[in-house]
Amino acid sequence: DGGITQSPKYLFRKEGQNVTLSCEQNLNHDAMYWYRQDPGQGLRLIYYSQIVNDFQKGDIAEGYSVSREKKESFPLTVTSAQKNPTAFYLCASSIESPRQKLFFGSGTQLSVL
Amino acid sequence: AQSVTQPDIHITVSEGASLELRCNYSYGATPYLFWYVQSPGQGLQLLLKYFSGDTLVQGIKGFEAEFKRSQSSFNLRKPSVHWSDAAEYFCAVGAGVSKLTFGTGTRLQVTL
Repeated sequence: DGGITQSPKYLFRKEGQNVTLSCEQNLNHDAMYWYRQDPGQGLRLIYYSQIVNDFQKGDIAEGYSVSREKKESFPLTVTSAQKNPTAFYLCASSIESPRQKLFFGSGTQLSVL
Repeated sequence: AQSVTQPDIHITVSEGASLELRCNYSYGATPYLFWYVQSPGQGLQLLLKYFSGDTLVQGIKGFEAEFKRSQSSFNLRKPSVHWSDAAEYFCAVGAGVSKLTFGTGTRLQVTL
């Protein structure tokens, strides 16, 4: 089945530690996205990539980094500079066209120890 | 700047009753409008979208939404709710898939 796979489902970070969230898609989509979801705040865009080896900051990119070395993969690193990382992180992909819908993964819940 | 307001944080309806979830937006032109649904601990799934044309759009699972330009609204409706519709619903607005603003969501509870 085609879809988006996020791993791990749950992740814990210690103070001062960087952690990486994985996102893989086999939908052959050009565009991929990372969203952060906090209770009562909806989804906020962290980074997005419309093509391999290129990505743009979203609304809340500070404290995060990404790479896009392969079309299928768009990992997100939560750095130690992100002081409030506890949230539900969603990866999505789409065909690169304004009218297309987002396909979402099932998310990663990140918590701070 | 674009924005979305979902005034109802939590709604409870009885199974078989009708449903309307409200969405109001602020945008400089005719926006692209979306409704997504999220089950607990899962990603979001598209219910329906509006770009232009007929202001009443049909979606999956028996949902529909009506675009009202004069009221800057895009309310989601369903004539008869099923217990499996219990979830969180998000309205989104923007100029395209990479420029969406999501509302804060409405959590729907269905009583039997």
